[in-house]
Amino acid sequence: NAGVTQTPKFQVLKTGQSMTLQCAQDMNHEYMSWYRQDPGMGLRLIHYSVGAGITDQGEVPNGYNVSRSTTEDFPLRLLSAAPSQTSVYFCASSYVGPKWETQYFGPGTRLLVL
Amino acid sequence: ILNVEQSPQSLHVQEGDSTNFTCSFPSSNFYALHWYRWETAKSPEALFVMTLNGDEKKKGRISATLNTKEGYSYLYIKGSQPEDSATYLCAFGSGANNLFFGTGTRLTVIP
Repeated sequence: NAGVTQTPKFQVLKTGQSMTLQCAQDMNHEYMSWYRQDPGMGLRLIHYSVGAGITDQGEVPNGYNVSRSTTEDFPLRLLSAAPSQTSVYFCASSYVGPKWETQYFGPGTRLLVL
Repeated sequence: ILNVEQSPQSLHVQEGDSTNFTCSFPSSNFYALHWYRWETAKSPEALFVMTLNGDEKKKGRISATLNTKEGYSYLYIKGSQPEDSATYLCAFGSGANNLFFGTGTRLTVIP
C-alpha cells in the first residue's frame, strides 16, 4: 500500500492564481481531511469528507474548495491564492473518522504564495 | 475554535531519563484525545487515541493517560532514547469529525 499520497511536494504561486492540491489514499478509507500547518500554530482543519459525495467545513475553510467524487481522492482547490495561504498542507484519512481512530497523514505539500 | 494547550513547548533530556508532557483540553463535549509523534521533515504518525475517562494506553516505552473530567492527558516516555527526539502532538476530538491540535511539545534527547 502507498498509504496517503500528496502532490505536488512543493509549489510556488503568484497572488490570484489557482491550483489544486492532490490527495489520494489506497486504504479504502471513508474519512479524508485537509489540514494546514503554520508556524506557532497547531494543525488546523480546513475541510473534511465522510465519504464520496459528502464534504463539510472545518475550522478554517475560507478560500478553499473541496469535492469527493471517489473514495480514493480528495483534492483541495485554491481558487484565487493569497499570501495568507502560504503554509504546509497535510491530507489525512481513516476508516470512520477521528471520533474513534487516529489519522494517517500524507507527506505534506509546501505552498508559497508570492 | 477550541483551545488545546501542550506543555512544555520544548524539552531537553539526557538519554535514559524518563519524561512526561501535558495536554490540556476543554472538559465539555469530549469525543476523543489523540497523540501523534512528528519527526522533522516527515508527517505525523499515530501513537494513541483514547475515548474513555481513565483510559491508559501503552506502546513500548511510551504510555498515555486520560482525564476527561478535568480535561488533561499525560504522555510518558520511559528511558528516553535519541530516536525519541520529535515533536509530540495531541489533538482533541469535539464532535464526530473535528480534531483540534495543540502546538506540540518538542523533545530532544541528548546522547
